[in-house]
Amino acid sequence: SQQGEEDPQALSIQEGENATMNCSYKTSINNLQWYRQNSGRGLVHLILIRSNEREKHSGRLRVTLDTSKKSSSLLITASRAADTASYFCATDNGGSEKLVFGKGTKLTVNP
Amino acid sequence: DSGVTQTPKHLITATGQRVTLRCSPRSGDLSVYWYQQSLDQGLQFLIQYYNGEERAKGNILERFSAQQFPDLHSELNLSSLELGDSALYFCASSVGDGGTEAFFGQGTRLTVV
Repeated sequence: SQQGEEDPQALSIQEGENATMNCSYKTSINNLQWYRQNSGRGLVHLILIRSNEREKHSGRLRVTLDTSKKSSSLLITASRAADTASYFCATDNGGSEKLVFGKGTKLTVNP
Repeated sequence: DSGVTQTPKHLITATGQRVTLRCSPRSGDLSVYWYQQSLDQGLQFLIQYYNGEERAKGNILERFSAQQFPDLHSELNLSSLELGDSALYFCASSVGDGGTEAFFGQGTRLTVV
């Protein structure tokens, strides 16, 4: 079952621009995580934000969480061609399905 | 490199056959998770083991089974394979029983012909 839904499904920007991806989910969560996947390869963990946190930063990444709206956003600042990948949000509600992933946002950063 | 090793990287097999996918978690991680990724279904959680015991079950077919051995490596067995089982199968590991980041292997690409 899909818990998170990313929006948009695809995003194309120029190098140097900021990229914002959104994730909405349905049930209460313990934490929400963002992962990156380069084409056909394994997922790489980017950042974890707990349900009692509102914002978190890691390098050029900024994640926000609004539990009242059941939504999160991932902002990548000053994007680079190497940021081209699919980005997934995953929710952990401590339940039986552990990490539940959305279908992802495919980001293309044009040089 | 995540530290999670999956073998084989690619597998091509015929319908009706049985295959075994292998996963070695990161050193020190007790949890192993299996996921299936296909174009139409996205990333689907299949099953989780924690320190040798089954801990959580997702959308895993009855034709599929898994186990985690005393050395913490895990195997996913897929039997009576159908064309629709063609997908990327990922293993991930984490230190605890959920609640923390997961580290993913590079996946096994299974093609059923």
